[in-house]
Amino acid sequence: GESVGLHLPTLSVQEGDNSIINCAYSNSASDYFIWYKQESGKGPQFIIDIRSNMDKRQGQRVTVLLNKTVKHLSLQIAATQPGDSAVYFCAVLSGGYNKLIFGAGTRLAVHP
Amino acid sequence: EAGVAQSPRYKIIEKRQSVAFWCNPISGHATLYWYQQILGQGPKLLIQFQNNGVVDDSQLPKDRFSAERLKGVDSTLKIQPAKLEDSAVYLCASRKRGGEYNEQFFGPGTRLTVL
Repeated sequence: GESVGLHLPTLSVQEGDNSIINCAYSNSASDYFIWYKQESGKGPQFIIDIRSNMDKRQGQRVTVLLNKTVKHLSLQIAATQPGDSAVYFCAVLSGGYNKLIFGAGTRLAVHP
Repeated sequence: EAGVAQSPRYKIIEKRQSVAFWCNPISGHATLYWYQQILGQGPKLLIQFQNNGVVDDSQLPKDRFSAERLKGVDSTLKIQPAKLEDSAVYLCASRKRGGEYNEQFFGPGTRLTVL
């Protein structure tokens, strides 16, 4: 079945720096990807999504890059702020089962 | 717009006891999900309802877990009897019929500790 993995469980950055969080997936047929942010004591919150017919999508301070060749996607956060401190998950829509498969998450810590 | 409501927020029980969690989705959302999130992991889907019918319960441990969604609105997830490995956050999410997955909204979750 589909599996989703993240490269780093923890990422520590300085306030104002750019952050890059990576994710790998296993199923080349996957065609929809979402990044979520989860703050302590809260449920995951949608950040940005991308479909497989795109390789880049930008939002407010966030960019998602998709490399289908190596089955990798990344979330870039520009000018990281203390409020960005959270756990970030990528999720892949499993084509065979029509449900979201989540990775393990990367904890982003932003230091002043 | 009110979000997904869940209760209780925290629950501590001993193994072999029973527990129930309640979810009230966003008004008008036909699709409801229950996820299990073990510490340090991403959410894992347990069951998906479309109105009051089950769409997918392939990852629900049916020997001890049960869920229902009477009248296609509120939902209850029950564990009976609980095991130590059931300690996790149980998240409820909802999505409007035909809505995109970026419109799937999560509740705050119920943190279950089994001693």
